[in-house]
Amino acid sequence: DQQVKQNSPSLSVQEGRISILNCDYTNSMFDYFLWYKKYPAEGPTFLISISSIKDKNEDGRFTVFLNKSAKHLSLHIVPSQPGDSAVYFCAASKGSGNTGKLIFGQGTTLQVKP
Amino acid sequence: EAQVTQNPRYLITVTGKKLTVTCSQNMNHEYMSWYRQDPGLGLRQIYYSMNVEVTDKGDVPEGYKVSRKEKRNFPLILESPSPNQTSLYFCASSFGNGRYEQYFGPGTRLTVT
Repeated sequence: DQQVKQNSPSLSVQEGRISILNCDYTNSMFDYFLWYKKYPAEGPTFLISISSIKDKNEDGRFTVFLNKSAKHLSLHIVPSQPGDSAVYFCAASKGSGNTGKLIFGQGTTLQVKP
Repeated sequence: EAQVTQNPRYLITVTGKKLTVTCSQNMNHEYMSWYRQDPGLGLRQIYYSMNVEVTDKGDVPEGYKVSRKEKRNFPLILESPSPNQTSLYFCASSFGNGRYEQYFGPGTRLTVT
């Protein structure tokens, strides 16, 4: 049972355009969401997060939007750069007492073309 | 430099030969976890530890053991590896106490023949 789903295995955008990566979840108990970025031969690195009490969080070129009623979150990258080409994972957690337990999606491979 | 280290980075072994993958962090983190990454399945948590001598199962614990005798170390033990444990393994650590961000090691590529 995949509680966190990234239904698009891959995405290709032109440099300078917006990249939108999507993530859906099924468990309404999730209250904190994170995005990670992974380059080949490296471990995932934390990118941005959002608490369920917010609907938007921004950090430079990266913005995460949360729609709790739809159980959907998205990561916007504007403008996209070739160095953003990587695998992006969304992850969810079920509360401050469980900060050690993250549920990850399958990942979306983003390719930004020069 | 704050980091999570794993050893070895690459390992090829045979079915049934016990192995240990080490993980160490230098950030004084409370929480540590092990994940495996497989194509189409993303990252799945194997085990996690909330503190020394406190561990719990993740989503795919079968065939794995862990121990947390010291805060900085969290080794993953495969007592009798099988080919379905061929995967890319990541160790991660985090502060806990409401801070969710996990810091990942570089990964260990394990092949069991």
